[in-house]
Amino acid sequence: DIQMTQSPSTLSASVGDRVTITCRASQSISSWLAWYQQKPGKAPKLLIYKASSLESGVPSRFSGSGSGTEFTLTISSLQPDDFATYYCQQYSSYPWTFGQGTKVEIK
Amino acid sequence: EVQLLESGGGLAQPGGSLRLSCAASGFTFSSYAMSWVRQAPGKGLEWVSGISGSRGSTYYADSGKGRFTISRDNSKNTLYLQMNSLRAEDTAVYYCVGTGMTLAWGQGTLVTVSS
Repeated sequence: DIQMTQSPSTLSASVGDRVTITCRASQSISSWLAWYQQKPGKAPKLLIYKASSLESGVPSRFSGSGSGTEFTLTISSLQPDDFATYYCQQYSSYPWTFGQGTKVEIK
Repeated sequence: EVQLLESGGGLAQPGGSLRLSCAASGFTFSSYAMSWVRQAPGKGLEWVSGISGSRGSTYYADSGKGRFTISRDNSKNTLYLQMNSLRAEDTAVYYCVGTGMTLAWGQGTLVTVSS
């Protein structure tokens, strides 16, 4: 199975900050990487697919980069609505695997 | 607009069974690979099972192998997950996910396994 290692597990930041979350795959997944935002009691919301493609309707302050084994999610200017938990996911092969999650908290 | 609507969750006893359904609309269902992903209370996301679009090849996580069966009815645009021999650790919200150009998620259905 492909292991996804996400860091950090918790991130404290202020409104307006630039935030970066990293995800590493244990083997190459090409660009088959998605990023999600999840709030309590809600389904995960797709932000980025194929490593860098912005899902329709998602604000442009979210961006994704990387390929192979190293990926990043960047929020260019953190907004109040962005405080949530973020997950990466590889869908290169079954079993799909997810990162452990990054909780973005208010500093 | 792609929509996925899960149903069939609820309370089951240990050793019991449940059948989850996922009704799809807004896209060509038979062209999409589909999966079930679950999230136990307070935990992360765990892939459970997947099925290809037209050929219906199936895949399972070790946690459900031999107990869970994924299937689809392309004439009804519906995905299923038959869960047998349920355990307390199967308690989770179960989401169906469609893989096309992007990934589409339903809102989830809660399964609680408890006596």
